[in-house]
Amino acid sequence: DADVTQTPRNRITKTGKRIMLECSQTKGHDRMYWYRQDPGLGLRLIYYSFDVKDINKGEISDGYSVSRQAQAKFSLSLESAIPNQTALYFCATSWGTSTDTQYFGPGTRLTVL
Amino acid sequence: GNSVTQMEGPVTLSEEAFLTINCTYTATGYPSLFWYVQYPGEGLQLLLKATKADDKGSNKGFEATYRKETTSFHLEKGSVQVSDSAVYFCALRAGGTSYGKLTFGQGTILTVHP
Repeated sequence: DADVTQTPRNRITKTGKRIMLECSQTKGHDRMYWYRQDPGLGLRLIYYSFDVKDINKGEISDGYSVSRQAQAKFSLSLESAIPNQTALYFCATSWGTSTDTQYFGPGTRLTVL
Repeated sequence: GNSVTQMEGPVTLSEEAFLTINCTYTATGYPSLFWYVQYPGEGLQLLLKATKADDKGSNKGFEATYRKETTSFHLEKGSVQVSDSAVYFCALRAGGTSYGKLTFGQGTILTVHP
Protein backbone atom coordinates (compact mmCIF):
# COMPACT_ATOMS: atom_id res chain seq x y z
CA ASP A 1 0.00 0.00 0.00
CA ALA A 2 1.11 3.55 -0.74
CA ASP A 3 2.56 5.52 2.18
CA VAL A 4 0.83 8.77 1.17
CA THR A 5 -2.66 8.51 -0.28
CA GLN A 6 -4.93 11.17 -1.68
CA THR A 7 -8.64 11.07 -2.33
CA PRO A 8 -10.21 11.62 -4.73
CA ARG A 9 -7.75 11.13 -7.56
CA ASN A 10 -9.88 13.07 -9.99
CA ARG A 11 -12.71 15.52 -9.42
CA ILE A 12 -14.77 17.71 -11.66
CA THR A 13 -16.91 20.34 -9.99
CA LYS A 14 -18.69 23.59 -10.72
CA THR A 15 -17.91 27.14 -9.78
CA GLY A 16 -19.08 27.99 -6.26
CA LYS A 17 -19.08 24.44 -4.91
CA ARG A 18 -17.24 23.45 -1.75
CA ILE A 19 -14.62 20.79 -2.31
CA MET A 20 -12.49 18.81 0.13
CA LEU A 21 -9.34 16.95 -0.83
CA GLU A 22 -8.03 14.45 1.66
CA CYS A 23 -4.56 13.18 2.40
CA SER A 24 -3.55 10.30 4.65
CA GLN A 25 -0.12 8.95 5.46
CA THR A 26 1.22 5.84 7.13
CA LYS A 27 4.82 7.02 7.34
CA GLY A 28 4.46 8.41 10.85
CA HIS A 29 5.75 11.81 9.72
CA ASP A 30 4.92 14.91 11.69
CA ARG A 31 4.98 17.41 8.83
CA MET A 32 2.45 17.60 6.03
CA TYR A 33 2.11 19.94 3.05
CA TRP A 34 -0.33 20.83 0.29
CA TYR A 35 0.94 22.00 -3.11
CA ARG A 36 -0.67 22.82 -6.40
CA GLN A 37 0.99 22.17 -9.73
CA ASP A 38 0.26 24.25 -12.80
CA PRO A 39 1.96 23.81 -16.18
CA GLY A 40 5.09 25.94 -16.41
CA LEU A 41 4.88 27.04 -12.78
CA GLY A 42 6.21 24.04 -10.90
CA LEU A 43 4.75 23.33 -7.49
CA ARG A 44 3.59 26.09 -5.21
CA LEU A 45 2.97 25.66 -1.50
CA ILE A 46 -0.59 26.28 -0.31
CA TYR A 47 -0.46 25.31 3.39
CA TYR A 48 1.82 23.34 5.64
CA SER A 49 1.60 21.83 9.10
CA PHE A 50 4.54 20.91 11.29
CA ASP A 51 2.36 19.09 13.80
CA VAL A 52 -1.32 18.70 14.65
CA LYS A 53 -1.55 22.08 16.39
CA ASP A 54 0.62 23.98 13.91
CA ILE A 55 -0.90 25.23 10.64
CA ASN A 56 0.80 27.77 8.41
CA LYS A 57 -0.04 29.56 5.19
CA GLY A 58 2.13 29.00 2.17
CA GLU A 59 2.66 31.31 -0.77
CA ILE A 60 -0.81 30.88 -2.33
CA SER A 61 -3.28 30.22 0.51
CA ASP A 62 -6.05 32.60 -0.60
CA GLY A 63 -9.24 30.70 -1.39
CA TYR A 64 -8.08 27.58 0.49
CA SER A 65 -8.33 26.29 4.04
CA VAL A 66 -6.92 23.20 5.74
CA SER A 67 -7.59 20.92 8.67
CA ARG A 68 -5.10 18.64 10.41
CA GLN A 69 -7.47 16.11 11.95
CA ALA A 70 -4.72 13.84 13.22
CA GLN A 71 -1.03 13.38 12.70
CA ALA A 72 -1.81 11.15 9.73
CA LYS A 73 -4.52 13.24 8.08
CA PHE A 74 -4.41 16.65 6.42
CA SER A 75 -7.36 17.94 4.38
CA LEU A 76 -7.50 20.82 1.93
CA SER A 77 -10.78 22.65 1.32
CA LEU A 78 -11.88 25.01 -1.40
CA GLU A 79 -14.79 26.87 0.19
CA SER A 80 -16.13 28.22 -3.09
CA ALA A 81 -14.29 26.77 -6.05
CA ILE A 82 -13.39 28.98 -9.02
CA PRO A 83 -12.03 27.97 -12.46
CA ASN A 84 -8.49 29.22 -11.81
CA GLN A 85 -8.23 26.64 -9.04
CA THR A 86 -8.19 23.97 -11.73
CA ALA A 87 -4.86 22.24 -11.14
CA LEU A 88 -3.09 19.12 -9.93
CA TYR A 89 -2.90 19.05 -6.12
CA PHE A 90 -0.25 17.17 -4.20
CA CYS A 91 0.05 16.29 -0.56
CA ALA A 92 3.50 15.64 0.88
CA THR A 93 4.96 14.57 4.20
CA SER A 94 8.33 14.79 5.90
CA TRP A 95 9.97 14.01 9.20
CA GLY A 96 11.03 17.17 10.92
CA THR A 97 14.22 15.93 12.47
CA SER A 98 15.68 14.11 9.48
CA THR A 99 17.01 14.97 6.08
CA ASP A 100 14.26 17.16 4.66
CA THR A 101 13.10 14.65 2.08
CA GLN A 102 9.44 15.14 1.27
CA TYR A 103 7.32 12.19 0.20
CA PHE A 104 4.52 12.94 -2.21
CA GLY A 105 1.13 11.43 -2.78
CA PRO A 106 -0.08 10.54 -6.29
CA GLY A 107 -1.99 13.79 -6.72
CA THR A 108 -5.58 14.89 -7.22
CA ARG A 109 -6.58 16.37 -10.54
CA LEU A 110 -9.26 19.00 -9.90
CA THR A 111 -11.25 20.66 -12.65
CA VAL A 112 -13.54 23.57 -11.83
CA LEU A 113 -16.02 24.39 -14.58
CA GLY B 1 12.95 35.78 -1.57
CA ASN B 2 13.97 32.28 -2.56
CA SER B 3 13.63 31.16 -6.15
CA VAL B 4 14.69 28.38 -8.50
CA THR B 5 15.07 28.70 -12.26
CA GLN B 6 15.31 25.69 -14.55
CA MET B 7 16.17 25.53 -18.22
CA GLU B 8 13.25 25.77 -20.58
CA GLY B 9 11.88 22.52 -21.86
CA PRO B 10 10.79 20.23 -23.19
CA VAL B 11 13.99 18.29 -23.79
CA THR B 12 13.94 15.49 -26.34
CA LEU B 13 16.85 13.06 -26.61
CA SER B 14 17.70 9.75 -28.20
CA GLU B 15 18.51 6.80 -25.98
CA GLU B 16 22.13 6.80 -24.73
CA ALA B 17 22.52 10.55 -25.24
CA PHE B 18 24.05 12.81 -22.60
CA LEU B 19 21.63 14.83 -20.50
CA THR B 20 22.06 18.18 -18.82
CA ILE B 21 19.23 20.10 -17.19
CA ASN B 22 20.33 23.46 -15.84
CA CYS B 23 19.18 24.79 -12.49
CA THR B 24 20.14 28.03 -10.77
CA TYR B 25 18.86 29.39 -7.51
CA THR B 26 18.54 32.49 -5.37
CA ALA B 27 18.39 32.05 -1.63
CA THR B 28 19.53 33.55 1.62
CA GLY B 29 22.00 31.61 3.67
CA TYR B 30 23.02 28.11 2.74
CA PRO B 31 20.14 26.15 1.23
CA SER B 32 19.87 22.43 0.66
CA LEU B 33 19.28 21.53 -2.98
CA PHE B 34 17.19 18.74 -4.46
CA TRP B 35 16.17 17.16 -7.71
CA TYR B 36 12.75 15.51 -7.77
CA VAL B 37 11.36 13.41 -10.63
CA GLN B 38 7.73 12.93 -11.60
CA TYR B 39 6.93 9.94 -13.79
CA PRO B 40 3.69 10.03 -15.79
CA GLY B 41 0.62 9.80 -13.58
CA GLU B 42 2.60 9.74 -10.35
CA GLY B 43 3.62 12.08 -7.57
CA LEU B 44 7.10 13.50 -7.18
CA GLN B 45 9.89 11.42 -5.75
CA LEU B 46 13.31 12.47 -4.58
CA LEU B 47 16.04 11.74 -7.12
CA LEU B 48 19.06 13.22 -5.35
CA LYS B 49 20.11 15.98 -3.01
CA ALA B 50 23.07 17.97 -1.70
CA THR B 51 23.18 19.83 1.57
CA LYS B 52 26.34 21.93 1.34
CA ALA B 53 28.63 23.53 -1.19
CA ASP B 54 30.67 21.17 -3.40
CA ASP B 55 28.57 18.16 -2.38
CA LYS B 56 27.64 15.86 -5.22
CA GLY B 57 24.30 14.08 -5.12
CA SER B 58 23.91 10.94 -7.20
CA ASN B 59 21.30 8.28 -7.85
CA LYS B 60 20.33 5.97 -10.73
CA GLY B 61 23.17 7.34 -12.89
CA PHE B 62 22.12 10.96 -12.36
CA GLU B 63 24.47 13.45 -10.72
CA ALA B 64 24.36 17.07 -9.60
CA THR B 65 27.00 19.16 -7.85
CA TYR B 66 26.16 22.02 -5.48
CA ARG B 67 28.09 25.02 -6.85
CA LYS B 68 27.83 27.94 -4.47
CA GLU B 69 30.00 30.23 -6.57
CA THR B 70 27.62 29.96 -9.53
CA THR B 71 24.47 29.25 -7.44
CA SER B 72 23.79 26.22 -9.60
CA PHE B 73 22.79 22.57 -9.25
CA HIS B 74 22.74 21.18 -12.80
CA LEU B 75 21.45 17.66 -13.33
CA GLU B 76 23.49 15.33 -15.58
CA LYS B 77 23.33 11.77 -16.81
CA GLY B 78 25.82 10.21 -19.16
CA SER B 79 23.47 7.88 -21.03
CA VAL B 80 19.71 8.31 -20.80
CA GLN B 81 17.16 5.56 -21.22
CA VAL B 82 13.58 5.60 -22.42
CA SER B 83 12.54 4.93 -18.82
CA ASP B 84 14.05 8.29 -17.80
CA SER B 85 11.24 10.11 -19.60
CA ALA B 86 9.62 12.21 -16.89
CA VAL B 87 9.36 15.74 -15.51
CA TYR B 88 12.34 16.87 -13.45
CA PHE B 89 12.08 19.52 -10.74
CA CYS B 90 14.92 21.37 -9.07
CA ALA B 91 14.12 22.58 -5.56
CA LEU B 92 15.73 24.25 -2.59
CA ARG B 93 15.13 24.33 1.13
CA ALA B 94 16.41 27.46 2.75
CA GLY B 95 17.08 27.88 6.43
CA GLY B 96 15.70 30.34 8.95
CA THR B 97 11.98 31.02 8.80
CA SER B 98 11.72 28.96 5.61
CA TYR B 99 12.84 25.84 7.46
CA GLY B 100 11.17 22.72 6.11
CA LYS B 101 9.58 24.39 3.09
CA LEU B 102 10.64 23.62 -0.46
CA THR B 103 10.77 26.12 -3.32
CA PHE B 104 10.45 24.43 -6.71
CA GLY B 105 11.53 25.35 -10.20
CA GLN B 106 8.99 25.17 -13.01
CA GLY B 107 9.95 21.66 -14.08
CA THR B 108 11.59 20.33 -17.25
CA ILE B 109 9.89 17.70 -19.35
CA LEU B 110 12.31 15.07 -20.66
CA THR B 111 11.35 12.68 -23.45
CA VAL B 112 13.77 9.95 -24.49
CA HIS B 113 13.19 8.15 -27.79
CA PRO B 114 14.50 4.65 -28.60
